[in-house]
Amino acid sequence: NAGVMQNPRHLVRRRGQEARLRCSPMKGHSHVYWYRQLPEEGLKFMVYLQKENIIDESGMPKERFSAEFPKEGPSILRIQQVVRGDSAAYFCASSPNSGTGGLQLILNTEAFFGQGTRLTVV
Amino acid sequence: AQKVTQAQTEISVVEKEDVTLDCVYETRDTTYYLFWYKQPPSGELVFLIRRNSFDEQNEISGRYSWNFQKSTSSFNFTITASQVVDSAVYFCALEGYNQGGKLIFGQGTELSVKP
Repeated sequence: NAGVMQNPRHLVRRRGQEARLRCSPMKGHSHVYWYRQLPEEGLKFMVYLQKENIIDESGMPKERFSAEFPKEGPSILRIQQVVRGDSAAYFCASSPNSGTGGLQLILNTEAFFGQGTRLTVV
Repeated sequence: AQKVTQAQTEISVVEKEDVTLDCVYETRDTTYYLFWYKQPPSGELVFLIRRNSFDEQNEISGRYSWNFQKSTSSFNFTITASQVVDSAVYFCALEGYNQGGKLIFGQGTELSVKP
């Protein structure tokens, strides 16, 4: 029973390039959440998606960032024209449904976060 | 507004000491969830505990224990007889009512356990 899979684990991009981060949720999960962890900081919510729908993007920067979760395939977080300030760890989490306690609703002892993608912009 | 405060940025202890990590939260919701996560140097997030707002019983799991006090809006985490492997950054997080999956994280407390 594979957990949330993120790839790549490490990504290096030059300023101005595009970064694509992928997240495959746990089997049977149709809700995906992206978080960003800037150096020396806690995680900050970015966006919440269901299949083919963006539900809450209140934490997404207004420009250069976009996210999708197509009917088939992983969720993609896309950063266009990356800048040094985008260097961070990006975590994805999934849940089977929304509602209170969704992240750990079913299995209280399992973490539903992926291992993260560490983006370095040089 | 919802907020989580972990006032201790860094804590350093010697192995076998007990250590308590503080977490204070703010929310207007009456139903909410509180979490603790561990982030070891390897970077992944390790789930430790989830607590709902109606369950104020303290929890113990091996050397770990949690003290949830609604009266002071605190959810503190104690490690008994700390070990070097406990060295990590620990995050407290809050999930508000009907905010499934949208967690508010504290800034984290970096715990260093020295041999």
